[in-house]
Amino acid sequence: RKEVEQDPGPFNVPEGATVAFNCTYSNSASQSFFWYRQDCRKEPKLLMSVYSSGNEDGRFTAQLNRASQYISLLIRDSKLSDSATYLCVVNPPQKLVFGQGTRLTINP
Amino acid sequence: NAGVTQTPKFQVLKTGQSMTLQCAQDMNHNSMYWYRQDPGMGLRLIYYSASEGTTDKGEVPNGYNVSRLNKREFSLRLESAAPSQTSVYFCASSAWDSVYNSPLHFGNGTRLTVT
Repeated sequence: RKEVEQDPGPFNVPEGATVAFNCTYSNSASQSFFWYRQDCRKEPKLLMSVYSSGNEDGRFTAQLNRASQYISLLIRDSKLSDSATYLCVVNPPQKLVFGQGTRLTINP
Repeated sequence: NAGVTQTPKFQVLKTGQSMTLQCAQDMNHNSMYWYRQDPGMGLRLIYYSASEGTTDKGEVPNGYNVSRLNKREFSLRLESAAPSQTSVYFCASSAWDSVYNSPLHFGNGTRLTVT
């Protein structure tokens, strides 16, 4: 089993839709969790950290479920500019592990 | 605030040539990383340095060497480049206290082609 697994893409959704991604992790000792966004041929950029209580930043909501060992990202009222690859990052002891990424395309 | 600076941005090598990718961060982070990303693939960790003076292998270390020159700088060397090393290379840094890791900050990447 991979340490971090993401929903297989690609996701193609119409503008204005709500879309959700999940990311499961295998190491229950993982402590930190993040969502990154990567545009084509660019470096990944931090979208948001994921806290135990869940957190929201505008149209984006991140949640952590330790019992089932997954994190989620919800995007509401999606915009064309949300088209990108979304990477989850998990911090088991002494390392950071990236998911493979989920490609999202928002269609007009 | 520069963050993480990588050089060069682009490089073309012939098989067998060597080169060093440079990375520097000005955020006083203790941990630094080198990743490679192939087309349509996720990021794969080559080497990392948890703190100044230490380096460890990641997922795909073969064909590479690293040097943590000081707290700011972490270089990646290809001793004898191969076409399989054609990729985009990202340097990153973070603050790590052995349990919690702050988010990674990435450099802009180096696009390397080996012919």
